[in-house]
Amino acid sequence: KNEVEQSPQNLTAQEGEFITINCSYSVGISALHWLQQHPGGGIVSLFMLSSGKKKHGRLIATINIQEKHSSLHITASHPRDSAVYICAASDSGAGSYQLTFGKGTKLSVIP
Amino acid sequence: DVKVTQSSRYLVKRTGEKVFLECVQDMDHENMFWYRQDPGLGLRLIYFSYDVKMKEKGDIPEGYSVSREKKERFSLILESASTNQTSMYLCASSLLAGGSYNEQFFGPGTRLTVL
Repeated sequence: KNEVEQSPQNLTAQEGEFITINCSYSVGISALHWLQQHPGGGIVSLFMLSSGKKKHGRLIATINIQEKHSSLHITASHPRDSAVYICAASDSGAGSYQLTFGKGTKLSVIP
Repeated sequence: DVKVTQSSRYLVKRTGEKVFLECVQDMDHENMFWYRQDPGLGLRLIYFSYDVKMKEKGDIPEGYSVSREKKERFSLILESASTNQTSMYLCASSLLAGGSYNEQFFGPGTRLTVL
């Protein structure tokens, strides 16, 4: 079973700062997911990637398959980015549709 | 857009009560999942279902059961609620295809308190 570790657990940043959240996993995967959860509960998918890099607005996700590591970057952070960010790994193998989740990184962006 | 809805946002029950949490998705997804989320522990899989009437235990099935009589609906049942089942419960759904195509879509969550 895959083990997914995130760091840091908590992160406080000033508005405008560049933010990096890290995720590492223990065994090969077919895809790595980054999820966002705002206070109140609902989780939304930000990225799903299996190689390279993806960008959406101020958010950038990268993955290094050889090193089993992914990062989520937020440029020009804003208070509305305050949320819990969760990475999750899709195990490789046909018919494998479960995700293994990290424990999340709580981000607070201060004006 | 995929929509996953859950029957309640907040629920308060008493110890020993039977509790039903309902989840409905409108995108004809084959897979449905029930998770609980607790501070410091992250999301943990309780049960999942890949087809009507099919179910598989997740990591923490004890004290829970599930029902999937229709493709769009997946119910989580607490047969006799206990205080250690106080938690946030999240439902999700995804297409059947495995591997890199299994993006999961989450409901808003139900915060259950058992007194």
